[in-house]
Amino acid sequence: GENVEQHPSTLSVQEGDSAVIKCTYSDSASNYFPWYKQELGKGPQLIIDIRSNVGEKKDQRIAVTLNKTAKHFSLHITETQPEDSAVYFCAARLDTGRRALTFGSGTRLQVQP
Amino acid sequence: GAVVSQHPSWVICKSGTSVKIECRSLDFQATTMFWYRQFPKQSLMLMATSNEGSKATYEQGVEKDKFLINHASLTLSTLTVTSAHPEDSSFYICSASGLADTQYFGPGTRLTVL
Repeated sequence: GENVEQHPSTLSVQEGDSAVIKCTYSDSASNYFPWYKQELGKGPQLIIDIRSNVGEKKDQRIAVTLNKTAKHFSLHITETQPEDSAVYFCAARLDTGRRALTFGSGTRLQVQP
Repeated sequence: GAVVSQHPSWVICKSGTSVKIECRSLDFQATTMFWYRQFPKQSLMLMATSNEGSKATYEQGVEKDKFLINHASLTLSTLTVTSAHPEDSSFYICSASGLADTQYFGPGTRLTVL
C-alpha cells in the first residue's frame, strides 16, 4: 500500500519567516495530495490540495509544489503568523477508486512572536 | 468549504458500555464517509470506509464487531464502539467525501472509557 513520510516532525520559526514541510510518497499511482492543519482538540482542516497534473498551486501565503518524478511534495508558508502554529499533515490518495487518504506523521509548527 | 459535524464532541463512559458517535455532512451529500482514530501526538489512522447503503470496509486489524459502522443516508454515518474498554479511549474523527475527491473532516469526538 501507500506510504507517506513527512519531515520535519517539529519546526520552529520566527514570525514573518517562511516554513517548509516536505513529504514523500511511495506509490506512483497516487494523484491527489491534500494538506491539512489541525489545531489542538479539533479535526483537520483542509488548507490546500494539488493534483498530479499540476506542479504548483498557491493560495495567498500558502503554496504546494509537487514533483511526480521524485514522488515528493512540499508545503510552503510565507510570512508566518502565530496563528499558523498547529500540526500540519500531508496526505496522498491512490488512483484506484478507493478514496481513502494515507497520512504523513505530522509536523508541529511553532511560530514564535 | 463543506461542513461536517460530529456528535457528541466528547463522551465519558464506563468500561463495558457502548457508545454511538454521529457524523453528518451538513451542506452536501456524502457518498463516502471515513472513520479515523487518533492517539495523542500521532497521525490519523483509518479505521473504515463506508459508502451509503452498503457495508463498511474495515482496515486490517480493526474489529468490525467492535466498531459498528452504519451509513444509512447520504448525510449521516454512525460509529458505535461496543463493549468499550480503556484502550478504546481515543480521538475519533470522521470525514466525508462527495462527488469530488475532497475529504472534509468533522471536529472529532474524544472518547474516554473509565
